[in-house]
This record gives sequence, C-alpha cells and structure tokens, in this order.
Amino acid sequence: AQTVTQSQPEMSVQEAETVTLSCTYDTSESDYYLFWYKQPPSRQMILVIRQEAYKQQNATENRFSVNFQKAAKSFSLKISDSQLGDAAMYFCAYRSKGAQKLVFGQGTRLTINP
Amino acid sequence: DSGVTQTPKHLITATGQRVTLRCSPRSGDLSVYWYQQSLDQGLQFLIQYYNGEERAKGNILERFSAQQFPDLHSELNLSSLELGDSALYFCASSPSDRGLDNEQFFGPGTRLTVL
Repeated sequence: AQTVTQSQPEMSVQEAETVTLSCTYDTSESDYYLFWYKQPPSRQMILVIRQEAYKQQNATENRFSVNFQKAAKSFSLKISDSQLGDAAMYFCAYRSKGAQKLVFGQGTRLTINP
Repeated sequence: DSGVTQTPKHLITATGQRVTLRCSPRSGDLSVYWYQQSLDQGLQFLIQYYNGEERAKGNILERFSAQQFPDLHSELNLSSLELGDSALYFCASSPSDRGLDNEQFFGPGTRLTVL
C-alpha cells in the first residue's frame, strides 16, 4: 500500500521569506499524481499544486513550486515570499493511476510570523 | 467555493445514536468520495461511489455505510456512534472514476461531535 510521510509537524517562517515543506512517499507504481493541499482555519481543503509523475519538470503555481525527485520518492513544497494568508495546515497527498482515492500525509502546520 | 455542498455543517449527538451526512457533488461530477479527518487517524479515505455504484472502499467501519442516489447526491450513515467517531467528514467529487486527470474537489466538511 502507498504511504505518505511528512516529517515536519510544524514549521514557521518570517513574512516575505521562503519556506520548504517536506514530503516523502512510498509506491511501486510508475504513473501517479502528487498533490499539496492547504487547510486554513476554515477547514476547507484547497488544492495548491499538483505534479504528474511522468513529467520531469517541476510544477509551479505563482509563489508555490515543488521539487519532485522521483527516484528518491520526494516531493517538497516551496513557498516564496510567504504571506500571512499562507498560514495553514499543509497536506501532501498521493493518487495512483488505478485507484482514485487520495492518500494523505499527517500534515505540517505552517505559521507565518509578521 | 468548490461547488460541493455538505449538510449539516455541525452535528452534535450522543453515543449509540445514528446520523446521516449529506453531500451534493459539483454539477456534472459522477464520482463522490468520503474522507474522515480525526486527530489520531489524520485524513483517511472511507469510500467512493461512481454513478450510483460503489467503486472503492477504504478504512470504513462496518457501522458506517454510504450510498449514492440517482440524482448523484450521496449520504454517509454512521450508526452506534462512539466517542472516537468524532471527526470532520469531507465529501469530494470528481468528473470520472478513472484517469490521472480526474481532480477531486472538496466540500466544506461536516463536523461531527459525539458526546
């Protein structure tokens, strides 16, 4: 079974600085998707960014980018120019080509210090 | 707003009781997923329905059941409730039941508190 591990329960960063959240996963499949979801205090799950495993180019969405290392099974999220509104729980998630269920990591709570 | 609606937003009940959580998917989406978010178990997949049929099961207890109706809304039934069932229950929907490009959109969740 696939597993997703986020080794940082909490992270903090100064406003306008850059922070990187770590995620590793375990799978024997070659085709899959990886995601980062943001969960603010409102509890809504918001998709931040996604990466297709067969694409070598790292995904980027404005201030959010990923470092996808397929061989190492690593998928980190970099947030540049951190803003107060970025404060939230961040979840890394995996979805295989076959099964549609999302497998989530335990989450990282990100605090932005003004 | 994802377009997925869930009712009720909050539910407080007692141990041993039964509750029903309701989800309406985005217009045009045929798949519905249920997830449970609890402090000790994190975010876990419970079950998936596609066009009225069960597609996949995760760590769903026997006391829990779900169904998807012809109008595509879904209900999650939780019975013989225990304290440990207190959690946030999310519904998500997606257009299809397969393919890499089948993004799931999450509803706002139902907060269940069992006293």
